[in-house]
Parts: sequence; structure tokens; C-alpha cells
Amino acid sequence: GEDVEQSLFLSVREGDSSVINCTYTDSSSTYLYWYKQEPGAGLQLLTYIFSNMDMKQDQRLTVLLNKKDKHLSLRIADTQTGDSAIYFCAESIRDMRFGAGTRLTVKP
Amino acid sequence: NAGVTQTPKFQVLKTGQSMTLQCAQDMNHEYMSWYRQDPGMGLRLIHYSVGAGITDQGEVPNGYNVSRSTTEDFPLRLLSAAPSQTSVYFCASSYSGAALQYFGPGTRLTVT
Repeated sequence: GEDVEQSLFLSVREGDSSVINCTYTDSSSTYLYWYKQEPGAGLQLLTYIFSNMDMKQDQRLTVLLNKKDKHLSLRIADTQTGDSAIYFCAESIRDMRFGAGTRLTVKP
Repeated sequence: NAGVTQTPKFQVLKTGQSMTLQCAQDMNHEYMSWYRQDPGMGLRLIHYSVGAGITDQGEVPNGYNVSRSTTEDFPLRLLSAAPSQTSVYFCASSYSGAALQYFGPGTRLTVT
């Protein structure tokens, strides 16, 4: 079974903020990641955060990490139709474990 | 750099046939891995390699073999394909360890 959990679907309107949430179980994870997968394509590394950080911002993307609750979130500001994709949360210790992915739909 | 490349992009096999999925990277990465992606599930690790000549099993290794004779190449072999192996297969690589892996475009395999 999966050790990383995330909701399967999220729908937002263009211009709104999107927040995708993830919970993980292994407190010894060294890195936590967000990958983006567009239809028919491979996984693109969007951003990552070291386990000793609380927040990381990269242009429209903000990653928040709550180690106490083992909770990771990805906020996309000013969401565009091009952001429609599946977003995977992942953790790595010895190997990498993925959540099932959240399908983000952006409506015009 | 081409990054991580995979061939073929699509493949249809009959039950019992064998084939090799190819993966290559030109970034001089030590770590390479194979995952399968099934609907509604995350990626699951099949096999990985921490360097030439070294391979190990992941979460779902049964029915698959790998070898790593060079740093660049990491082929995945299906010895006797089964319908349960219908999936999308992704190869990935990183400079060191499982962190910060870069993924290939995937191979969509159908076994009838």
C-alpha cells in the first residue's frame, strides 16, 4: 500500500489559487517532492523541499512542510489552464515513494 | 543533453512473449530506476541501480529483470509477459541516490 496519501481531484477557476495537500508517514524522509505529469508525458520535477525546511517559494509555487503532522502542501498562485495536470507528492529515504496523484482541473 | 530517453514509446505484446524496454541517460548519473504507473496509483518501484554492475529489487520486482553494464543504460526485461504487466513504465535517474530523480517520457505497454 501507499505510504503517501493525497486527494485524487481538485478543480479551480483560472486566476484562483490551488492548494494540493499530501500526507506522508516516514518521519525520516530527507526530501519531499512535487512532480507534475501532463497527459501522455513523463513526470516533471516541479519543486522539492529539504526536510529541515518549513517553506520554499519558487515564483508561483509555494511549498509548506509541517513535520509534526507529516503534511506537505503545494500552492499554485494565479492558476492557469496550462497548470491542468496530475500532481504527485513523493518522499525519499532509501528509495522514492509516490502518492496516487491529484488531478488538477483549471476551468476558464 | 537528451536527458533520460526511453524506447519504444508504445508496445503491444501477447501473453508469454518477452521483450526489453530500453532506458538511457547522458547525464552521467549513478542512480537509475524503473517504475510502473497504474491507474489511480502512484508510481511503484520495480528495480533500481546505484551504479554500473549493481542492481537491486524495489517494491514490485516479480516478472522483471534488469542489468547495468554501463553507467548510461539500464534495460528492463520482461521474460514472459502477463496481462498484469499492462502499464506505463518510467525510467528515472539521479546523480546519487533516490533523491532528485529525472524521469523519461515513459513506455506504454499492453499485454493481451
